[in-house]
Amino acid sequence: DAGITQSPRYKITETGRQVTLMCHQTWSHSYMFWYRQDLGHGLRLIYYSAAADITDKGEVPDGYVVSRSKTENFPLTLESATRSQTSVYFCASTGTSWNEQFFGPGTRLTVL
Amino acid sequence: GQQLNQSPQSMFIQEGEDVSMNCTSSSIFNTWLWYKQEPGEGPVLLIALYKAGELTSNGRLTAQFGITRKDSFLNISASIPSDVGIYFCAGQLRDEKLTFGTGTRLTIIP
Repeated sequence: DAGITQSPRYKITETGRQVTLMCHQTWSHSYMFWYRQDLGHGLRLIYYSAAADITDKGEVPDGYVVSRSKTENFPLTLESATRSQTSVYFCASTGTSWNEQFFGPGTRLTVL
Repeated sequence: GQQLNQSPQSMFIQEGEDVSMNCTSSSIFNTWLWYKQEPGEGPVLLIALYKAGELTSNGRLTAQFGITRKDSFLNISASIPSDVGIYFCAGQLRDEKLTFGTGTRLTIIP
């Protein structure tokens, strides 16, 4: 099925653990993004990627690592999770214009 | 980081009423976008605006790119129950980085 998927949808982890959130899109869009959504802050850009093997920092990159070895996948890793990283994480992909932008369903992450 | 001021934060209206919300920034943007988010889902793009003064409609939704390039407006006419959700604005200056507003939560009173 065409679309953008995220996994897991829900994750509970402990402080200090490594966590990887997955994002997969089937449109072959060049651009992919990771946002976090917190009350009172809207969505904030963590990292984005213009193409495979090209990534760049967004507004709040500290504590996160990304990679993009394949166009369709854009995993986000929290190397040592902290409580402040408790949030809802959204992945998005964009084609040749903003009218071709789609968000995934989100991953709700809780760090205890 | 920069944030957009979106107002109102929440709205309680009756079905059939018109809705207006806006987004303002201290900086200019080259593109304004409006999204709707429903519970448990990601945002969905409603309207994209690409030049100052542009007025664009999508069904009962109409959005405008402010002349100063520092603001944008979204109107919903004749609201219906499925309009319930959180509406976000976003601005783009360069690259593919978007700055999002904090959202307007729309509730429709039966």
